[in-house]
Amino acid sequence: AQTVTQSQPEMSVQEAETVTLSCTYDTSENNYYLFWYKQPPSRQMILVIRQEAYKQQNATENRFSVNFQKAAKSFSLKISDSQLGDTAMYFCAFATHAGKSTFGDGTTLTVKP
Amino acid sequence: NAGVMQNPRHLVRRRGQEARLRCSPMKGHSHVYWYRQLPEEGLKFMVYLQKENIIDESGMPKERFSAEFPKEGPSILRIQQVVRGDSAAYFCASSPSLGTVNAGELFFGEGSRLTVL
Repeated sequence: AQTVTQSQPEMSVQEAETVTLSCTYDTSENNYYLFWYKQPPSRQMILVIRQEAYKQQNATENRFSVNFQKAAKSFSLKISDSQLGDTAMYFCAFATHAGKSTFGDGTTLTVKP
Repeated sequence: NAGVMQNPRHLVRRRGQEARLRCSPMKGHSHVYWYRQLPEEGLKFMVYLQKENIIDESGMPKERFSAEFPKEGPSILRIQQVVRGDSAAYFCASSPSLGTVNAGELFFGEGSRLTVL
């Protein structure tokens, strides 16, 4: 069974600064996908960034980037130039080709003005 | 709106009643997933369905909970004889077929918040 661990229940960052959210996972699979989802206070979950395990290059989406360390089973999210709209709960998720995703317990990020 | 549609958004039930939550997947998606989120907690997988088939129900409680995704119409999560502990947000997500460029990615609905009095 896959497990996803987010060790930081809450984090805060000043507007315009950089913050890194941690995520580790455990699996015996070799091919899989990793995701970071964002759940703003409005509650609809949206995708932030995805990474295919077979790709060595770290994914980047504008101000969001990941540090994917396959051997260490680590998948951290870096948010640069933090904005007030980044305040949300962030979930790390793992998915295999078989379908379902397993989520971590989330990190509540607060961006302070 | 071609996104994942869930209804009702809010549902209040008394203990012992039945709750039915509906989910229409994104157009073109044939995979539906139900997750439960308790207050201030993460998403817990409940069930994964394709049309007319339950693929994985390992997260479903053994009693009172059932799910279906018929050939026609939305997927339905049914909770019989609700108890206060069933109070939670229930999220539906859909995904495209495996092998597509977005494989593995979940597209979420806005959730259905169930309150059991």
